[in-house]
Amino acid sequence: ESVLTQSPGTLSLSLGERATLSCRASQSISSNSLAWYQHKPGQAPRLLIYGASSRATGIPDKFSGSGSGTDFSLTISRLEPEDFAVYYCQQYGSSPFTFGGGTKVEIK
Amino acid sequence: QVQLVQSGAEVKKPGSSVKVSCKTSGGIFGSNGISWVRQAPGQGLEWMGGITAVFGTANYAQKFQGRVTITADKSTTIAYLELSSLRSEDTAVYYCAASGTYYPSYFDSWGQGTLVTVTS
Repeated sequence: ESVLTQSPGTLSLSLGERATLSCRASQSISSNSLAWYQHKPGQAPRLLIYGASSRATGIPDKFSGSGSGTDFSLTISRLEPEDFAVYYCQQYGSSPFTFGGGTKVEIK
Repeated sequence: QVQLVQSGAEVKKPGSSVKVSCKTSGGIFGSNGISWVRQAPGQGLEWMGGITAVFGTANYAQKFQGRVTITADKSTTIAYLELSSLRSEDTAVYYCAASGTYYPSYFDSWGQGTLVTVTS
């Protein structure tokens, strides 16, 4: 099973700042099968990125994903109020699919 | 994108079973893999298993093997999650999620979630 470790656990930033979230896998993820989701309380998760770097439909270009192998990152270029949430990475390259523990992005 | 609508909240006793449904619309049934993901209170997301609806083949996380069954009914375009031998630790919000591929992969559409509470 591929274990995903996200860091930091919590990121405290101000509006307009840049956020960089990390996701590290315990084994190489095949075909860069790595996705990122945004999750707000009381809502379903929302797909942001798939294939490590492809933005999902309707996702603004302030969200970008990068990485390969075992190290991946999500960058939010300029934080806006609606961006404060928990972010999860997920690998779908091998079964069982696994999620990271999440990074909470909070307002400083 | 396919739309997913789940059945309502459930309260179950330990040792019983629960069956949650996920009605799909807006797409061709079988063109999207369907998975079930849960979130226990204060915890992260956990993949339970998924089904390639066009073939009816399901794959489960080992943690739930023997307790979980995922099915898909082509005639009604409804996917189901059944979880048996419930315990308090199964209290969670259960989501169905559709993949952008015919087999389970990343999840680009989600149901609204179903709260299952296991309590004596």
